[in-house]
Amino acid sequence: GAVVSQHPSRVICKSGTSVKIECRSLDFQATTMFWYRQFPKQSLMLMATSNEGSKATYEQGVEKDKFLINHASLTLSTLTVTSAHPEDSSFYICSATSGDYTDTQYFGPGTRLTVL
Amino acid sequence: QKEVEQNSGPLSVPEGAIASLNCTYSDRGSQSFFWYRQYSGKSPELIMFIYSNGDKEDGRFTAQLNKASQYVSLLIRDSQPSDSATYLCAVNSANFGNEKLTFGTGTRLTIIP
Repeated sequence: GAVVSQHPSRVICKSGTSVKIECRSLDFQATTMFWYRQFPKQSLMLMATSNEGSKATYEQGVEKDKFLINHASLTLSTLTVTSAHPEDSSFYICSATSGDYTDTQYFGPGTRLTVL
Repeated sequence: QKEVEQNSGPLSVPEGAIASLNCTYSDRGSQSFFWYRQYSGKSPELIMFIYSNGDKEDGRFTAQLNKASQYVSLLIRDSQPSDSATYLCAVNSANFGNEKLTFGTGTRLTIIP
């Protein structure tokens, strides 16, 4: 149980284009989903927290107009990187929690974004 | 500023020995504690969570929590080469329902065959 998927697993795009990443909880309803970014040899950096049907809460320093998050249902959240630039190249990972008493976050496999 | 501190390592342990990973946290209101394992190029996977003082065992893994000392550890018995990874400590502060986790920077563990 507690499986989270992400799609695509890897994407290469040209500078200036937009990229959408999907995050799905496959066998549970995710009350909250999280989006992280991880640069090589660095720890996870939380970008935003999203709850179904409401606006995402972004961490300080994360541009909400650049990283659009839509949490349309209890099993799907999307992250759109708009007007991507080479410095946006990173490993993007989502996680989801079912809202049980443990607040355990289950991570998706991640999406490696390369912007040329 | 809520902080979670881990020794970045690398920590080298011979195969078959016990690997001991440590984590301290600054927020006394922290309620639940998690250990994740992350292989290079992969996303974190949950090893176990603990929220009561004492030990919690799951197979070869034992998590230990001491809230008075603000300390949580992970022991890996009979270490295997496949245990070589970065181990992330994560803490959920304040009340249950505040779901945001604060992660440590991770300890890189290498099991030497």
